Amino acid sequence: RKEVEQDPGPFNVPEGATVAFNCTYSNSASQSFFWYRQDCRKEPKLLMSVYSSGNEDGRFTAQLNRASQYISLLIRDSKLSDSATYLCVVNTGRRALTFGSGTRLQVQP
Amino acid sequence: GAGVSQSPSNKVTEKGKDVELRCDPISGHTALYWYRQSLGQGLEFLIYFQGNSAPDKSGLPSDRFSAERTGGSVSTLTIQRTQQEDSAVYLCASSLLTSGGSTDTQYFGPGTRLTVL
Repeated sequence: RKEVEQDPGPFNVPEGATVAFNCTYSNSASQSFFWYRQDCRKEPKLLMSVYSSGNEDGRFTAQLNRASQYISLLIRDSKLSDSATYLCVVNTGRRALTFGSGTRLQVQP
Repeated sequence: GAGVSQSPSNKVTEKGKDVELRCDPISGHTALYWYRQSLGQGLEFLIYFQGNSAPDKSGLPSDRFSAERTGGSVSTLTIQRTQQEDSAVYLCASSLLTSGGSTDTQYFGPGTRLTVL
């Protein structure tokens, strides 16, 4: 079983739609959680950290459920520029991060 | 300021040759990481350097892979006797660890796309 699992998608949504991605992780001792965004043939970039209390950054909301070991990302009012691959990332106790394979989002006009 | 830089951006080599990939981290960042990303896959951790501590090599897939970090800054990842399955994008990241040791934001370089023919 992979340490971090994501639905690869693609999620095809119209502009303005709300879309949600989930991610599950296997190590219950995981300490910190992130969503990264990766555009085609580019490096990953931090989108937001995920806190136990949940956090919001503009149109983006991240939630963490430690009991069920899953993380979610909600994007409201999708823009064309949101089209990318969203990587669920977990710190399992090492300094390096463990990445999911990513969920691809395509926002269509 | 300048971000993480990597060179070369693309490398095509023949099976069995050795390759060296270079990473220049953000100035002042004490932690440096190497990952690789195969087509359509997530990032796979390879090796981690932190200051003068012994590197965490737990992700290196075979003894053909090695890395060093000179002077606490530039790092070189070396792959000996390359194989076709080594073809991937090799990404370097750096971060500024706090004294508390929590995982700080990792900033990635643009990667080196390695193709082994």
